[in-house]
Amino acid sequence: DIQMTQSPSSLSASVGDSVTISCRASQSISYYLNWYQQKPGKAPSLLIYAASTLQSGVPSRFSGSGSGTHFTLTISSLQPENFATYYCQQTFSSPWTFGQGTRVEIK
Amino acid sequence: QVQLQESGPGLVRPSETLSLTCTVSGGSISSYYWTWIRQPPGKGLEWIGYISSSGSTNYNPSLKSRVTISVDTSKNQFSLNLSSVTAADTAVYYCARLLLGGYSPFDYWGQGTLVTVSS
Repeated sequence: DIQMTQSPSSLSASVGDSVTISCRASQSISYYLNWYQQKPGKAPSLLIYAASTLQSGVPSRFSGSGSGTHFTLTISSLQPENFATYYCQQTFSSPWTFGQGTRVEIK
Repeated sequence: QVQLQESGPGLVRPSETLSLTCTVSGGSISSYYWTWIRQPPGKGLEWIGYISSSGSTNYNPSLKSRVTISVDTSKNQFSLNLSSVTAADTAVYYCARLLLGGYSPFDYWGQGTLVTVSS
């Protein structure tokens, strides 16, 4: 199985800050990397697919980059509704696997 | 707007079979793939498997011996059966739509249903 490792596991930031979350794959996954946001008690929602393509309706302050084994999710100008847990997911090889999540908290 | 809704028992006894159904509304179940994901309380996400509208399946090997996913296009539903459950199967179970081909993101999700395995 391909292991997905996110860093950091959690971070504290203020409204207006820019934050970056890292996701590393245990082997090359090309661009087969998706990002999800999950708020407490809610289902995850798709933010970005194919490493950098913004899902319809997702604000442009979210961006993704990377290929191969290293990927990043950047949130520019953090808003109150962006405090949540973020997961990366690889769909290069079955079984599809998720990172352990990065919790973004209010400082 | 596509909506998904999980349904099924919230409590299952150890060694029995967990059975959940996902009802799709606002769109046809045909021409898409459909998937199940679970999340133990306070933990991360685990992909369980997927099914096409024609019945082709792909399961996570870690669960493959115990999992069956089926589809009923006439009811716009798909289902999950997980046999011989233990406390480790206690989780919130989500159904989602999968855009297979390309990068296979899960673009629509149900709200999730908590299933507790306990006697």
